[in-house]
Amino acid sequence: DTAVSQTPKYLVTQMGNDKSIKCEQNLGHDTMYWYKQDSKKFLKIMFSYNNKELIINETVPNRFSPKSPDKAHLNLHINSLELGDSAVYFCASSQAGLELSNEQFFGPGTRLTVL
Amino acid sequence: ELKVEQNPLFLSMQEGKNYTIYCNYSTTSDRLYWYRQDPGKSLESLFVLLSNGAVKQEGRLMASLDTKARLSTLHITAAVHDLSATYFCAVDGKGGSRLTFGEGTQLTVNP
Repeated sequence: DTAVSQTPKYLVTQMGNDKSIKCEQNLGHDTMYWYKQDSKKFLKIMFSYNNKELIINETVPNRFSPKSPDKAHLNLHINSLELGDSAVYFCASSQAGLELSNEQFFGPGTRLTVL
Repeated sequence: ELKVEQNPLFLSMQEGKNYTIYCNYSTTSDRLYWYRQDPGKSLESLFVLLSNGAVKQEGRLMASLDTKARLSTLHITAAVHDLSATYFCAVDGKGGSRLTFGEGTQLTVNP
């Protein structure tokens, strides 16, 4: 059984289009994340939700909008795609808490290519 | 702002040799994680280190954490080709939730 799943795995689209990536976790975790991994493999957090509430909102263009309909799902919508948005986007989840480990479990990634 | 630095960033080694990857971080934290990423794949959790002096071992890999020195090491013993991958350390900032990742160490083990 897949713990953290993302769809689609690959996304090729033209500049200016709008696209969405979906993420689901079946681990019962209360916190979910979106990361962007660039071509140099650098991983940067974009957003985090805890129980459907946005708790981390890094400096990303407001063309990126996360949505969490429930604590098992976190989607990422991107408007007006630009060439620089090409990257691999990872979803992750964890059961966060001050005393607990914040070990995060990652989805398979979505490779976005903007032409 | 928490900064996490790994070195080396690229490591090419021969099978059978030992080596250590270092992860330094800039502010107080006692929770550190190591991940492995194969080309084109996701990140796989390797080790969770939750206190000063923590040491974890799995096969040919051993990770340790020194929170006073703000340093974690990932030691590779008698490397084999299957260990070729990129290794990331990640540090938990105060208050939890946010992980800051190092740049990654791309390890290549040659026969």
